[in-house]
Amino acid sequence: DAGVIQSPRHEVTEMGQEVTLRCKPISGHDYLFWYRQTMMRGLELLIYFNNNVPIDDSGMPEDRFSAKMPNASFSTLKIQPSEPRDSAVYFCASRDLTADTQYFGPGTRLTVL
Amino acid sequence: KQEVTQIPAALSVPEGENLVLNCSFTDSAIYNLQWFRQDPGKGLTSLLLIQSSQREQTSGRLNASLDKSSGRSTLYIAASQPGDSATYLCAVNMEYGNKLVFGAGTILRVKS
Repeated sequence: DAGVIQSPRHEVTEMGQEVTLRCKPISGHDYLFWYRQTMMRGLELLIYFNNNVPIDDSGMPEDRFSAKMPNASFSTLKIQPSEPRDSAVYFCASRDLTADTQYFGPGTRLTVL
Repeated sequence: KQEVTQIPAALSVPEGENLVLNCSFTDSAIYNLQWFRQDPGKGLTSLLLIQSSQREQTSGRLNASLDKSSGRSTLYIAASQPGDSATYLCAVNMEYGNKLVFGAGTILRVKS
């Protein structure tokens, strides 16, 4: 398996622009997670899905952030409008129902100027 | 609210040394604890997972222990190698497989 795939790997945008991050989980995994990593706050869970349904979005920082999972093989995290403080590395991870371990993608480094 | 602390924040050792990384957490009601490795520009790789009912797990040169009642875990790396250089993250699972709370990590550098 190719593992969790994220795109783009790097994104540079200007404040106020819409940003869309993409994730393809490992085939057959039932859970998908979005995390954000910053120097100040470390690695934080933003939202997770089970069978394409959002289960817990309590970590989503503001209404500017939204996430969708239209099917089992694709998820998006959207920021609209983006702000400089959104600059971070965003990770996607997935997990199989029968296992404890989450498998992480390589991350998307977002820079908002 | 669960808080996870890792000590030290950074560590530099010569090749061949044995070393210990520490992790503490404030809420002992955890399902399990994991140690991850993060290399620059890459995602996280799970190294060891200890269930709340277990005391330790071993994989090769790595040994992780868990004292749930005192809220502590250690990661022991034997005979360190330059390839072990990375950031090591401790995470406690507050909900079966789904709610990981991470520490800030320990940056390890093994000098050849």
